[in-house]
Amino acid sequence: KAGVTQTPRYLIKTRGQQVTLSCSPISGHRSVSWYQQTPGQGLQFLFEYFSETQRNKGNFPGRFSGRQFSNSRSEMNVSTLELGDSALYLCASSSLERWGNEQFFGPGTRLTVL
Amino acid sequence: AQSVTQLDSHVSVSEGTPVLLRCNYSSSYSPSLFWYVQHPNKGLQLLLKYTSAATLVKGINGFEAEFKKSETSFHLTKPSAHMSDAAEYFCVVSDTFGNEKLTFGTGTRLTIIP
Repeated sequence: KAGVTQTPRYLIKTRGQQVTLSCSPISGHRSVSWYQQTPGQGLQFLFEYFSETQRNKGNFPGRFSGRQFSNSRSEMNVSTLELGDSALYLCASSSLERWGNEQFFGPGTRLTVL
Repeated sequence: AQSVTQLDSHVSVSEGTPVLLRCNYSSSYSPSLFWYVQHPNKGLQLLLKYTSAATLVKGINGFEAEFKKSETSFHLTKPSAHMSDAAEYFCVVSDTFGNEKLTFGTGTRLTIIP
């Protein structure tokens, strides 16, 4: 099976702009989670989608949003970008077949806000 | 609420010597615990996971971890370090079935001395 793919891999934006990141989960996986990784804050949970519904949400402002499509692909959007949004954004998918199911991570999208 | 504490931000060992990366967890429920590894500019890869079966868990690349409920610990070990083990290691907890929110520790950077 192909792994989790994320596009684009690198992005450079300026403050105030908005950005959309895309994630394609492993075939058959219905849960998609998003994480932000920064040197200062580490890895933080953004939100999780399952069957096109947001099931869990982390402590991020409303500028961060996401959605999931019927084919389980997911997008996250960040509006009104701030310098502090510069980070590696990781997407993970899982099949939820059993307790403690492994999450498979994509390579990430490196966002730089200037 | 769930949390993990990685007791060392940086560990250095000589090639061929044992590795010990320490992790303590806090969870309201019976947790699932994971160790993930991140090599430079790469995504996260699962090393091993504990999901209430055997308390000694074996993972990939010779790593293993022991779940100790009385000590709320889940330390990662390897008998003999290899140069390719140099990476960032994350201890991770998930405490609710069907809840795909993972809580990450702050990471331990493992350096291998030739």
